Amino acid sequence: SAVISQKPSRDICQRGTSLTIQCQVDSQVTMMFWYRQQPGQSLTLIATANQGSEATYESGFVIDKFPISRPNLTFSTLTVSNMSPEDSSIYLCSVVSFAGMNTEAFFGQGTRLTVV
Amino acid sequence: ELKVEQNPLFLSMQEGKNYTIYCNYSTTSDRLYWYRQDPGKSLESLFVLLSNGAVKQEGRLMASLDTKARLSTLHITAAVHDLSATYFCAVDPPGGGADGLTFGKGTHLIIQP
Repeated sequence: SAVISQKPSRDICQRGTSLTIQCQVDSQVTMMFWYRQQPGQSLTLIATANQGSEATYESGFVIDKFPISRPNLTFSTLTVSNMSPEDSSIYLCSVVSFAGMNTEAFFGQGTRLTVV
Repeated sequence: ELKVEQNPLFLSMQEGKNYTIYCNYSTTSDRLYWYRQDPGKSLESLFVLLSNGAVKQEGRLMASLDTKARLSTLHITAAVHDLSATYFCAVDPPGGGADGLTFGKGTHLIIQP
């Protein structure tokens, strides 16, 4: 299994500002992902954080709005830029631990963002 | 495009009753997950299902997978209040975990005493 530490756990931010969320894993992992969960909704994949190269974004998400860094195999950041109230969501970091039949996806505790 | 449909989306039931949540998905999958989410919390992994006919049980919850029908079920036996939560199924498309998960919309489960 993988233990994921995500910071901050919550924040209240002014519109127009940016927030950087950190995700630290206790072991080296190849695949790291960022998801968004809007209030009362399911999870939507934002992007795959690639180590050593630019993140791969899903349809509807762009690098200018959600820049992602992945400097090594244990750490990633997601920035929510130029925030508006519509960005109020829970943002979750996820990793896949590859172990053959025991391959599994794990999630951080999430960052609850409120934009006012 | 992989689509995951979960139903019901909302379920209110009494303690002691049995019920089943269904998860249909549209394309082949490497694995299927069931997660539990309590209000304001992250996701807790319940089950990972890999192969056709897989059945896993933990306490009052049992999950099964039919890959031919592209259907998974989460069965709740003799429900208790502590099982109140939102349950998500999520599908891992072919690719060995490299493409992220596609989630169902979740089933908001309320179990009343």
